Amino acid sequence: KAGVTQTPRYLIKTRGQQVTLSCSPISGHRSVSWYQQTPGQGLQFLFEYFSETQRNKGNFPGRFSGRQFSNSRSEMNVSTLELGDSALYLCASSPRPGDGYTFGSGTRLTVV
Amino acid sequence: AQTVTQSQPEMSVQEAETVTLSCTYDTSESDYYLFWYKQPPSRQMILVIRQEAYKQQNATENRFSVNFQKAAKSFSLKISDSQLGDAAMYFCAYRSAFSSNMLTFGGGTRLMVKP
Repeated sequence: KAGVTQTPRYLIKTRGQQVTLSCSPISGHRSVSWYQQTPGQGLQFLFEYFSETQRNKGNFPGRFSGRQFSNSRSEMNVSTLELGDSALYLCASSPRPGDGYTFGSGTRLTVV
Repeated sequence: AQTVTQSQPEMSVQEAETVTLSCTYDTSESDYYLFWYKQPPSRQMILVIRQEAYKQQNATENRFSVNFQKAAKSFSLKISDSQLGDAAMYFCAYRSAFSSNMLTFGGGTRLMVKP
């Protein structure tokens, strides 16, 4: 059974650009959550999607957005990148909200 | 809002010995879930153990066990017979049973295992 797949693994972007990260959950998992991990702030919740609907959003500016498709795949987008957006972005999926999570290996975003 | 605190930024243990990682949390809720996750250099967060707050019995998974003290809001992880592969960052996490699916993480403890 394939795990949670995040692409790309690494990404380097310039300040002011935008970026889209992708997450393919485990087959059958309909709930997808995103987390940002930085040395300074630790792990912080970004958003959660279930059946193409955003259920919750963390305390992040509007530059951070996401969506979920009918096949449960999810993307997150960050516009007008800032240096502080450099982080590991982790995606997690579960069969339903409240079930156990399986995390992907993350996308390492570096903003220069 | 809930908070999770891991007071040990780094811990070290000799191979085959036992180590305990500490975690405390703050919540006003009566029902919730607590987790320990392991993050090796591969970056993937791996679930180590899960505890449901309404269960008094401490969870155990092979060499991993927890000491859950609900009144004290304490949730420590004990690793027995430590192995080199246990070296990683360990994160304690909280999730409400009522509201969102969101995990609130502690700051993490880096565990080093000495051969």
